[in-house]
Amino acid sequence: DQQVKQNSPSLSVQEGRISILNCDYTNSMFDYFLWYKKYPAEGPTFLISISSIKDKNEDGRFTVFLNKSAKHLSLHIVPSQPGDSAVYFCAASANNNDMRFGAGTRLTVKP
Amino acid sequence: NAGVMQNPRHLVRRRGQEARLRCSPMKGHSHVYWYRQLPEEGLKFMVYLQKENIIDESGMPKERFSAEFPKEGPSILRIQQVVRGDSAAYFCASSSSRGNTEAFFGQGTRLTVV
Repeated sequence: DQQVKQNSPSLSVQEGRISILNCDYTNSMFDYFLWYKKYPAEGPTFLISISSIKDKNEDGRFTVFLNKSAKHLSLHIVPSQPGDSAVYFCAASANNNDMRFGAGTRLTVKP
Repeated sequence: NAGVMQNPRHLVRRRGQEARLRCSPMKGHSHVYWYRQLPEEGLKFMVYLQKENIIDESGMPKERFSAEFPKEGPSILRIQQVVRGDSAAYFCASSSSRGNTEAFFGQGTRLTVV
């Protein structure tokens, strides 16, 4: 039962352009959402999060948008850089705090 | 200020042996989560523990797998009688509270069953 879905396994963008990674969820109890970035052979690293009371959170080049009615969130990276190339995981938790992850989207930023 | 420490980084076991994976959470963190990543797949939740308590083990296989987080020492994920299908990367994460907050991951243990 996959409660968090990332339907695009991969995404390729040109350096300097915007990267948009999407995530959908089915559990209406989720109230906290996170994005993690993962390089090969390393653990995921926290990137940015958003609470369900907000619809946008921005941190430098990274912005997360939340659409609760559509149960959809997205991560925007602008401008994209080659060092952003990694697998990005969307995660969600309800108040009991065990996060559920999507399958990940592999982002490739071409110079 | 060490982050989440997992050891070993790589573990090779023959079919039928036991695998023990260790996770020391960040200092001050009392919440631990274990995830498994199969090749070419995402992170699958296995179990959530607080000190001496299993809070949610809904992602744990019913047999051969167990987890603990004792009052003293690291959290242990134990896999008995390993099979080839257990080969995966196992990640541990920790957080400081039960409320909505980010969790920090270790580098993972890559288990290979031969």
